[in-house]
Amino acid sequence: AQKITQTQPGMFVQEKEAVTLDCTYDTSDPSYGLFWYKQPSSGEMIFLIYQGSYDQQNATEGRYSLNFQKARKSANLVISASQLGDSAMYFCAMREGLRAGTASKLTFGTGTRLQVTL
Amino acid sequence: GAGVSQTPSNKVTEKGKYVELRCDPISGHTALYWYRQSLGQGPEFLIYFQGTGAADDSGLPNDRFFAVRPEGSVSTLKIQRTERGDSAVYLCASSLWRGQGENTGELFFGEGSRLTVL
Repeated sequence: AQKITQTQPGMFVQEKEAVTLDCTYDTSDPSYGLFWYKQPSSGEMIFLIYQGSYDQQNATEGRYSLNFQKARKSANLVISASQLGDSAMYFCAMREGLRAGTASKLTFGTGTRLQVTL
Repeated sequence: GAGVSQTPSNKVTEKGKYVELRCDPISGHTALYWYRQSLGQGPEFLIYFQGTGAADDSGLPNDRFFAVRPEGSVSTLKIQRTERGDSAVYLCASSLWRGQGENTGELFFGEGSRLTVL
């Protein structure tokens, strides 16, 4: 089974509108973290937002918020007030086995290409 | 510089040749990761290091791929007998341990090394 599933290969949104990018995940580990990264056409991976599995509240970072529904195993990214500069690939990723003093790999989804239009 | 540095940014080689890709992580980051990204895909995990040792090399596709991090800082990804299917962008990332200060363990990525095998 895919660890991270992003079912929207491409999305369009008008400038100043909000958009939701979907992400579902699969893990049996009770301790995990979910990440969203943005990759513009220039290629660099830019960290946007993080949600820990034990976090009680949904994460927010400026115009980005993460709609975390643990029972449904979904971690959708919401971008409010879209800007032209938001046009990019967006990747959802998961890290399993979170324990203090350790590091572990991120597993990425296939991404969603967001295009912001005028 | 302050970020993850990867060299070369572009490498064109012929099938069967040997290639080395270098990564210089953010100072103080003890974890270092290698990913491979093919066109239109998400980053695919290859290997990660905790200090000098490879903590997880489960993503290396075969024994032509090898990575080292002899002093716990700079890492080199080595590809022997390159094949056309090895063509991709090779991304390096580094992170703190989870629990080092108030951090999420997010990965900080370099700009990648684009490998083209003719």
